[in-house]
Amino acid sequence: NAGVMQNPRHLVRRRGQEARLRCSPMKGHSHVYWYRQLPEEGLKFMVYLQKENIIDESGMPKERFSAEFPKEGPSILRIQQVVRGDSAAYFCASSLTLDRGGMDYGYTFGSGTRLTVV
Amino acid sequence: SQQGEEDPQALSIQEGENATMNCSYKTSINNLQWYRQNSGRGLVHLILIRSNEREKHSGRLRVTLDTSKKSSSLLITASRAADTASYFCATDNTGGFKTIFGAGTRLFVKA
Repeated sequence: NAGVMQNPRHLVRRRGQEARLRCSPMKGHSHVYWYRQLPEEGLKFMVYLQKENIIDESGMPKERFSAEFPKEGPSILRIQQVVRGDSAAYFCASSLTLDRGGMDYGYTFGSGTRLTVV
Repeated sequence: SQQGEEDPQALSIQEGENATMNCSYKTSINNLQWYRQNSGRGLVHLILIRSNEREKHSGRLRVTLDTSKKSSSLLITASRAADTASYFCATDNTGGFKTIFGAGTRLFVKA
């Protein structure tokens, strides 16, 4: 059980380039969440996806950001034309079901991708 | 605005002491979770307490939940240097899909 795998761990992009962040959820998990963490801050929700569907993208900027979770393969968070303000740690989490009320576990998080825009 | 707010923002204690962190939230919740994050790493789930529970234990951790005050506390007993980390509370709100995190409490345990 490899847990949630995110890659790359570190990503450096110049302003205006595209950043692609990948997340492979835990085996058997069909719910994926992306969070962004700025230095010294908490995690801000971005988007919640199930296989081939975006369920809630209320935390994701309308422009330049997109996310997908295809039937096969990892979930991808894509940031086009990156700006310095996009520099942050991006965490992916997965869960077995939506309703965690009946279970004593929360999300399983990946180790994050640290994006630096220069 | 963020749902969960941890208090204090930073806490420094000696090894062996107890550490108490508090979390307040604003809306109705299904459950509340506590996570730990070591510097530069991902988050690790510590404990989940449901809205109909008042107290829960896991090893040296004790979590309480007061839904009337919309607050929770995390107590770490007999702290160790290895407990040094940031601790976040997070809530699953009724009727919502996403878990919302607070800004965290940074705990420093001095050996």
